[in-house]
Amino acid sequence: AQSVSQHNHHVILSEAASLELGCNYSYGGTVNLFWYVQYPGQHLQLLLKYFSGDPLVKGIKGFEAEFIKSKFSFNLRKPSVQWSDTAEYFCAVSSGYSTLTFGKGTMLLVSP
Amino acid sequence: EAGVAQSPRYKIIEKRQSVAFWCNPISGHATLYWYQQILGQGPKLLIQFQNNGVVDDSQLPKDRFSAERLKGVDSTLKIQPAKLEDSAVYLCASTGIRDRDRNYGYTFGSGTRLTVV
Repeated sequence: AQSVSQHNHHVILSEAASLELGCNYSYGGTVNLFWYVQYPGQHLQLLLKYFSGDPLVKGIKGFEAEFIKSKFSFNLRKPSVQWSDTAEYFCAVSSGYSTLTFGKGTMLLVSP
Repeated sequence: EAGVAQSPRYKIIEKRQSVAFWCNPISGHATLYWYQQILGQGPKLLIQFQNNGVVDDSQLPKDRFSAERLKGVDSTLKIQPAKLEDSAVYLCASTGIRDRDRNYGYTFGSGTRLTVV
């Protein structure tokens, strides 16, 4: 069975600081990796995804993530966060046609 | 394109009462999922439908939870009787069966926040 581990439950940053949220997964086969974001009071939205090819994927709003197969990691990054990035971020994994398995989420608070 | 519709948005019930949630997926999406998101945790799959058939309900507490998707379109999730630990957000998601649809990941509804008192 696949599982996802997110390193930090809460992260607090000032505006313009750089962001890196850790995500590790456990599964021995080919995986599909996702980052979802949930803004306060809103539904889960897809931020970016990796299926194959270039391990550095770019998503919406300046986010990017790097798939490192040897480390079973898919960390989310943004060079300069904004107050509007305050949200909860979920890493998720699927394999083939299996369902999405989510991590516990990281709550990001950006102070202006 | 309309998103995944869910209702109600909020529900407060007493323990041992019953409750039902409704979901209308994106038009044409054959696969529908119900997830439970407890505060402080990530969403956990309850059940997956492909058209009107159940693909995976291994994590559905079948003694109290039931779900159906009779015509392969909208779906209802029921809890009877509810327990305090059922307080959570219940999310519905859908996706197509073609690879290019699945490559977009799942589209989630806004969820129903259930509070059991």
